[in-house]
Amino acid sequence: DIQMTQSPSSLSASVGDRVTITCRASQGISNYLAWFQQKPGKAPKSLIYASSNLQSGVPSKFSGSGSGKDFTLTISSLQPEDIGTYYCQQYSSYPLTFGGGTKVEI
Amino acid sequence: QVQLVQSGAEVKKPGASVKVSCKASGYNFINYAMHWVRQAPGQGLEWMGWINPANGDTKSSQKFQGLVTFTRDTSATTVNMDLSSLTSEDTAVYYCVRGRSSVTGWVFDYWGQGTLVTVSS
Repeated sequence: DIQMTQSPSSLSASVGDRVTITCRASQGISNYLAWFQQKPGKAPKSLIYASSNLQSGVPSKFSGSGSGKDFTLTISSLQPEDIGTYYCQQYSSYPLTFGGGTKVEI
Repeated sequence: QVQLVQSGAEVKKPGASVKVSCKASGYNFINYAMHWVRQAPGQGLEWMGWINPANGDTKSSQKFQGLVTFTRDTSATTVNMDLSSLTSEDTAVYYCVRGRSSVTGWVFDYWGQGTLVTVSS
């Protein structure tokens, strides 16, 4: 199975800060990488697919990059509504696997 | 608009089975896969498997093989997930997730609201 490792596991930042989360795959996955946001008590929401493509309706303050093993999710200007836990997921091979999550706080 | 509405919370005893349903609306049901993902309390996300509503083909994670069954009812635009031989470690929120096929593989887009399954004696 492909292991997905996110860092940091949690972070605290101020409103307006630029926030970056990293995700590393245990083997190369090309750009078969997605990001999800989960707010407390809610279902996850899909943000990005194919490493850098925004899902429909996702604001442009979110961006993703990377290929191979190393990926990043960036929030350009953190707002209170962005708090929650962010997960990366690889869909290069079965079983599909997720990172452990990064909890973002203000 | 796309909606995935799941069945209500369940409480089961160890050794029992549970069935969670997911009713889809707002799109052509047979054109998208349906995946299942679970989340234990305070934990991360775990992929369980998927079903192709067009033909009923399924694939599950090796961890759940022999324990989980995915079915669909095309007339009701509903998919079901049956999990058997429940233990306390199956206590989790179970999500159905629509998957669209792309050149880069399965892309998850819409999620159900989740169904809490509690396994307790």
